[in-house]
Amino acid sequence: RKEVEQDPGPFNVPEGATVAFNCTYSNSASQSFFWYRQDCRKEPKLLMSVYSSGNEDGRFTAQLNRASQYISLLIRDSKLSDSATYLCVVHNDMRFGAGTRLTVKP
Amino acid sequence: NAGVTQTPKFQVLKTGQSMTLQCAQDMNHEYMSWYRQDPGMGLRLIHYSVGAGITDQGEVPNGYNVSRSTTEDFPLRLLSAAPSQTSVYFCASSYAGGFWETQYFGPGTRLLVL
Repeated sequence: RKEVEQDPGPFNVPEGATVAFNCTYSNSASQSFFWYRQDCRKEPKLLMSVYSSGNEDGRFTAQLNRASQYISLLIRDSKLSDSATYLCVVHNDMRFGAGTRLTVKP
Repeated sequence: NAGVTQTPKFQVLKTGQSMTLQCAQDMNHEYMSWYRQDPGMGLRLIHYSVGAGITDQGEVPNGYNVSRSTTEDFPLRLLSAAPSQTSVYFCASSYAGGFWETQYFGPGTRLLVL
């Protein structure tokens, strides 16, 4: 089993849709988790941290489920500009998931 | 601030050639790291450094060397290039590399080894 696994997608959704991605991790001792966004042929950029209690930033909500060892990212009211690849990261292991590709269509 | 810069942007090498990928940051970050990104594999850590004079291996260090003589620079050396090293290489830095530190990535170097 990979240490960090993501559904590669692609997820193709219409504008305004709600979409959710999950990311599972194998190391139960992992402590810090992040979501990064990567546009085509660009570098990854931090989207948001994932806190134990869950956290929200505008249309984006991140959650952590330690019992089942996964983190999730929910995007509400999708915009065309949300089209990108979303990478989950388990920071203390420096492990990246392979990414989930999202395409938002008009 | 320029942030994290990488040179060159693109490079084509022949098998057996050596080269150095340059990485520099102007944010006074202690922690710097090198990743490679291959299709379907995500980013994998090659080497990292927690400060000048200190380096350590990551998940895929074979075939690569690093050194950290200054806080600003963290070059990655390919000793004898192989086609398996064809990849996109990203350098990243963070303030202290702790559990909750954001990493800032450079724009990447696309390397093709023939």
